[in-house]
Amino acid sequence: GAVVSQHPSRVICKSGTSVKIECRSLDFQATTMFWYRQFPKQSLMLMATSNEGSKATYEQGVEKDKFLINHASLTLSTLTVTSAHPEDSSFYICSARGGWREPEGETQYFGPGTRLLVL
Amino acid sequence: DAKTTQPTSMDCAEGRAANLPCNHSTISGNEYVYWYRQIHSQGPQYIIHGLKNNETNEMASLIITEDRKSSTLILPHATLRDTAVYYCIVSPGYALNFGKGTSLLVTP
Repeated sequence: GAVVSQHPSRVICKSGTSVKIECRSLDFQATTMFWYRQFPKQSLMLMATSNEGSKATYEQGVEKDKFLINHASLTLSTLTVTSAHPEDSSFYICSARGGWREPEGETQYFGPGTRLLVL
Repeated sequence: DAKTTQPTSMDCAEGRAANLPCNHSTISGNEYVYWYRQIHSQGPQYIIHGLKNNETNEMASLIITEDRKSSTLILPHATLRDTAVYYCIVSPGYALNFGKGTSLLVTP
C-alpha cells in the first residue's frame, strides 16, 4: 500500500514557540492532504484539507492563523503550530490521497502521527 | 456527527474469525464504506473499502448488504496483533469523519 511519513514523530516545545510538522507521501503523488488532531481517548478530528497549490480549507473552530498549512508540492505538506500553548498538546496525524484516476485516488493513507507536548 | 453505528467493543479468540458490524442506514449512493483501524498511539491503517459489491484483500473481507444500509468487516483468522480500534466510515472519498469505532480485543 501507499506510504505516508511524518516528521518528527514527537516534539516537546516551550509555550509560545512555533512547531513545524512535515507530512510526505513517499510513493505516490498526493493531490489532497488532510490534517487531523486526536486528544487522549478521543477519536480523530479533521482540522483542515489542502490541495496542492491551493489554500487550505479549515474546519469550523480551527484557527487558520494558528495552524498554518502549506501544500507546496505533490508529496509534501507542512503544519505549523504557531505560538503553541499547553492546550495544543495533542497527537497530530496527516493523511494523503492521490488523484481520482490513480490507484490511490479513492483512499486516504495516514502517516504515523506526531505527538506534540507544549510545556 | 458520524453517519455510522458500531458496537463499542468486541472480543474474539485468537485464530477465530472476527466479524465487526456497522450500520449506515443513511448512506448516499455515491458514498463508499471504508474501514480503518488504529493501534494504540499510531496513525490509522487502511483496511478495505467498497461501494456496492463485496470486497476481499489480503487483510480482510467486506460484506455490504444489498440495500447498503449495513456492512460487516471480517478478519478471517484474528491474531493478537489485530487488537485495535476499528472504524467504519462512509464517505464519497473525500474527508473522513471518524466516529468512536469498535475496540476489538483478540484474546489468546
